[in-house]
Amino acid sequence: GQSLEQPSEVTAVEGAIVQINCTYQTSGFYGLSWYQQHDGGAPTFLSYNALDGLEETGRFSSFLSRSDSYGYLLLQELQMKDSASYFCAVVSYNFNKFYFGSGTKLNVKP
Amino acid sequence: DSGVTQTPKHLITATGQRVTLRCSPRSGDLSVYWYQQSLDQGLQFLIQYYNGEERAKGNILERFSAQQFPDLHSELNLSSLELGDSALYFCASSVVGGGAGTDTQYFGPGTRLTVL
Repeated sequence: GQSLEQPSEVTAVEGAIVQINCTYQTSGFYGLSWYQQHDGGAPTFLSYNALDGLEETGRFSSFLSRSDSYGYLLLQELQMKDSASYFCAVVSYNFNKFYFGSGTKLNVKP
Repeated sequence: DSGVTQTPKHLITATGQRVTLRCSPRSGDLSVYWYQQSLDQGLQFLIQYYNGEERAKGNILERFSAQQFPDLHSELNLSSLELGDSALYFCASSVVGGGAGTDTQYFGPGTRLTVL
């Protein structure tokens, strides 16, 4: 089977840095992706990591450690508009399996 | 606006019925993905089509089917509906067919299905 664990809720203040962790257990792991979803909105693709290391895209970075079955999403210089749910998702071999975590609700406070 | 359109926005129907959800991808995108989001099951990948061919299948029930037409729009057919099928159904599109989660996907606004 497979499982993904991420915190259900995280709170941080505007301008701060926050890290949302994701640990996974799956067979045939291929990569880890991240999505953002505002309340009442559609998901937005943020990043995909297939290799170990950090990938940076503006204020957002995503990290993967295949040996630790662990990844994280790092959000810097938090803004109020970053308040949303963030989902990690595992891609497994042949791309036939794609599983989402239950999501982390990020609350950014002034 | 992602450029992906979905119709209808809302759909209310009864158990046992059949419905069709429609998705038009962004211009130039060859891949279409379908997702279901419900309180019980969370966000789930259902199926992917690439240039008319089924590319990957996720947690799609046998009562559900999809297809992608030559003009690249896609339809998701849900039959013998049950109360538990009530959910938001999202369609997403991407330029390439690298597989769900591996490349930038653009999501439509979703169709909210309510089964009574």
